[in-house]
Amino acid sequence: KQEVTQIPAALSVPEGENLVLNCSFTDSAIYNLQWFRQDPGKGLTSLLLIQSSQREQTSGRLNASLDKSSGRSTLYIAASQPGDSATYLCAARPLISSGSARQLTFGSGTQLTVLP
Amino acid sequence: DGGITQSPKYLFRKEGQNVTLSCEQNLNHDAMYWYRQDPGQGLRLIYYSQIVNDFQKGDIAEGYSVSREKKESFPLTVTSAQKNPTAFYLCASTLAGGPTDTQYFGPGTRLTVL
Repeated sequence: KQEVTQIPAALSVPEGENLVLNCSFTDSAIYNLQWFRQDPGKGLTSLLLIQSSQREQTSGRLNASLDKSSGRSTLYIAASQPGDSATYLCAARPLISSGSARQLTFGSGTQLTVLP
Repeated sequence: DGGITQSPKYLFRKEGQNVTLSCEQNLNHDAMYWYRQDPGQGLRLIYYSQIVNDFQKGDIAEGYSVSREKKESFPLTVTSAQKNPTAFYLCASTLAGGPTDTQYFGPGTRLTVL
């Protein structure tokens, strides 16, 4: 069964710093990997989706990379801002054709605080 | 504005009671999902539905029930059989339930058992 781990659970950085959030998964047979943002007490917002055939995806100051062979994905945030403070979750979708096992497996998230 | 609404935002339940959480979407999406989130943990799938009048159990379906009578609505009932229901519940939808579809989430319902 797929397990997705995000370490550290919490991270504080000063404003303007570039930072990397980590996501590791145990089963490399994935269809894609997604990164989400969650503000306190709110739902999730999709940030980036990387297909298994891709190495990275970029959106603005965000860049997500995927290395299936090592079971790792990273989310790079450039020039961090206080508004980036939130919990960031990654989720892996398995390479299975159908059924509940095809659904996303989520990590527990990294709570990011960007200090002004 | 298109989106997903969940109600109520906060819900309190006495032990032994059934409660129903509402989820409505006006995105014209076929697939809808219910997740449970506990503090410091990731989301776990309760039920999902890829088409009206059909739904499938997720990883933690015991003690929950759903219905999908309309495309835009996917209510979740937390029954008295669910032994530890206090959690944050999130509803989501995708266009067709395909593996590359983006999941859109509602704002969540926080359920507390008194």
